[in-house]
Amino acid sequence: GAGVSQSPRYKVAKRGQDVALRCDPISGHVSLFWYQQALGQGPEFLTYFQNEAQLDKSGLPSDRFFAERPEGSVSTLKIQRTQQEDSAVYLCASSLARTSETYSGNTIYFGEGSWLTVV
Amino acid sequence: KQEVTQIPAALSVPEGENLVLNCSFTDSAIYNLQWFRQDPGKGLTSLLLIQSSQREQTSGRLNASLDKSSGRSTLYIAASQPGDSATYLCAVCTGTASKLTFGTGTRLQVTL
Repeated sequence: GAGVSQSPRYKVAKRGQDVALRCDPISGHVSLFWYQQALGQGPEFLTYFQNEAQLDKSGLPSDRFFAERPEGSVSTLKIQRTQQEDSAVYLCASSLARTSETYSGNTIYFGEGSWLTVV
Repeated sequence: KQEVTQIPAALSVPEGENLVLNCSFTDSAIYNLQWFRQDPGKGLTSLLLIQSSQREQTSGRLNASLDKSSGRSTLYIAASQPGDSATYLCAVCTGTASKLTFGTGTRLQVTL
């Protein structure tokens, strides 16, 4: 597709349920990022992939959060045993360049997010 | 730890007015600063990126400035239009180059 695609767009999970959120980056993009955005807040970094390698996972809030990008394209963010505090929008972003190049001025493209509500 | 603050949190202006959004950050050792726009229920769209060595960037009616030493950036919007209504987010890149630290945003409404 033309942009970053995320699915599902909306997910309601019961507390304790496992969820999986999918991100299809723009074809050929090397860098992929996951951010978490709580209501009324700015996005917060979760994790970063360069191709299939997860180079930074310092933002994952607990060991219930797991992300993968096994073939260097599609990525999945998995949340185990969901809690109410996990309710947020999960944003995926991609960029053509590696991070050192990205942050020299290459554009980063965000998807529309997956809205997770834990009840 | 880098902290980013945006003032005001919300702003309502009549169409045609020029306006300034403010962003401040606590750690001046940044690679760059970006301004994003977020429409309700949508993702983020990058508006302007300023490298740490630059003072400003312009795109159309938008102008962003950066004063790294004082930890401040401003986004100037000229001749505002109703279509400019959105939340504007400031983000800085520091430390490990993989992550952005965002402010909480300024919610802008431009009225007819």
